[in-house]
Amino acid sequence: KAGVTQTPRYLIKTRGQQVTLSCSPISGHRSVSWYQQTPGQGLQFLFEYFSETQRNKGNFPGRFSGRQFSNSRSEMNVSTLELGDSALYLCASSFLGQGEQYFGPGTRLTVT
Amino acid sequence: AQSVTQLDSQVPVFEEAPVELRCNYSSSVSVYLFWYVQYPNQGLQLLLKYLSGSTLVKSINGFEAEFNKSQTSFHLRKPSVHISDTAEYFCAVIRYGGSQGNLIFGKGTKLSVKP
Repeated sequence: KAGVTQTPRYLIKTRGQQVTLSCSPISGHRSVSWYQQTPGQGLQFLFEYFSETQRNKGNFPGRFSGRQFSNSRSEMNVSTLELGDSALYLCASSFLGQGEQYFGPGTRLTVT
Repeated sequence: AQSVTQLDSQVPVFEEAPVELRCNYSSSVSVYLFWYVQYPNQGLQLLLKYLSGSTLVKSINGFEAEFNKSQTSFHLRKPSVHISDTAEYFCAVIRYGGSQGNLIFGKGTKLSVKP
């Protein structure tokens, strides 16, 4: 089976812009979770989608949003970018949202 | 709520020496436990998992971890490390059951294997 894929791998944006990141889960996996990784805060959970519904949400401002499509692919959007949004954004998929999660290579977002 | 503490942020070790990366967790409910490894500029790779059954779990590349419920620990060990084991290792937990699909991670331990 193909692994989790994320596009794009690298992004450079300017403060105030918005960005959309994409994630394709492993075939058959219905749960997609998003995480932000920074040197200072480590790995932090953003949100989880299961069967097109947001099932769980971390402690991030409303500028961070996401959605899931009927084929389980997911997108996350960050509006009004801030310098502090610079991070590696990781997507993970799992069969039901419990147990092990499998991660993609991440999208490196740099906000200037 | 759950939390994970990785007691060492960096562990330097010589090649072929044994290593232990420590992980303790706190949770009021039952959890699943994981170790993930991250190589530079890559995502996380699942290294080991404890879901149920035997408390000692092993990976195909020689790592093992033991779940100790009384000490709420899940330490990662390898009897002889290689240069290629140089990476950052993350311990993580997820709540057992329910609908919470979010892993709680420790801050990570950077393992540096020197020749």
